[in-house]
Amino acid sequence: KNEVEQSPQNLTAQEGEFITINCSYSVGISALHWLQQHPGGGIVSLFMLSSGKKKHGRLIATINIQEKHSSLHITASHPRDSAVYICAVGNGGSNYKLTFGKGTLLTVNP
Amino acid sequence: EPEVTQTPSHQVTQMGQEVILRCVPISNHLYFYWYRQILGQKVEFLVSFYNNEISEKSEIFDDQFSVERPDGSNFTLKIRSTKLEDSAMYFCASMRVETQYFGPGTRLLVL
Repeated sequence: KNEVEQSPQNLTAQEGEFITINCSYSVGISALHWLQQHPGGGIVSLFMLSSGKKKHGRLIATINIQEKHSSLHITASHPRDSAVYICAVGNGGSNYKLTFGKGTLLTVNP
Repeated sequence: EPEVTQTPSHQVTQMGQEVILRCVPISNHLYFYWYRQILGQKVEFLVSFYNNEISEKSEIFDDQFSVERPDGSNFTLKIRSTKLEDSAMYFCASMRVETQYFGPGTRLLVL
């Protein structure tokens, strides 16, 4: 069973700050997902990573497979980035499923 | 852009009643999932479905739960006799190439 730990649990930042959210997991995976959940509850997939680094706009996700660790960075944070960011890991094959972390609540103040 | 849809968005039911949550996955996806999130807790896997049968289910997914793909588009989760602890947000997802696309969720409240 894979354990997924995120830190910090809560993060408050001022607009414009650089944000880092960390995720570590205990067992080898096929891929790691970063998801965003807004107060209304809907979940949006941000990144799916199996190695290296991905960038989309102001968001950057990195993964170190050997260390079983991933980070999500937000550059030039904005109040609209306020949401819960969830790390989830997936294992491959026909029974691919996600195991989720508890999420990090990010609040960006203007 | 294609998206996963779920109905209803909210449902309130009495304990012991049956509920059916409906999902329309993205049309060319082959893998389907149900997850749930109890208020304030993390998202949990319930069941995966492929090729018209269950691929894997969690220990949460007991005999009170069932899934069906009654036609080419809908994917349903039935809870036969709801309990108070079934109150949660239920998410459907469909997958292509290991990227899962989530529906907006159904918020179920059992009274």
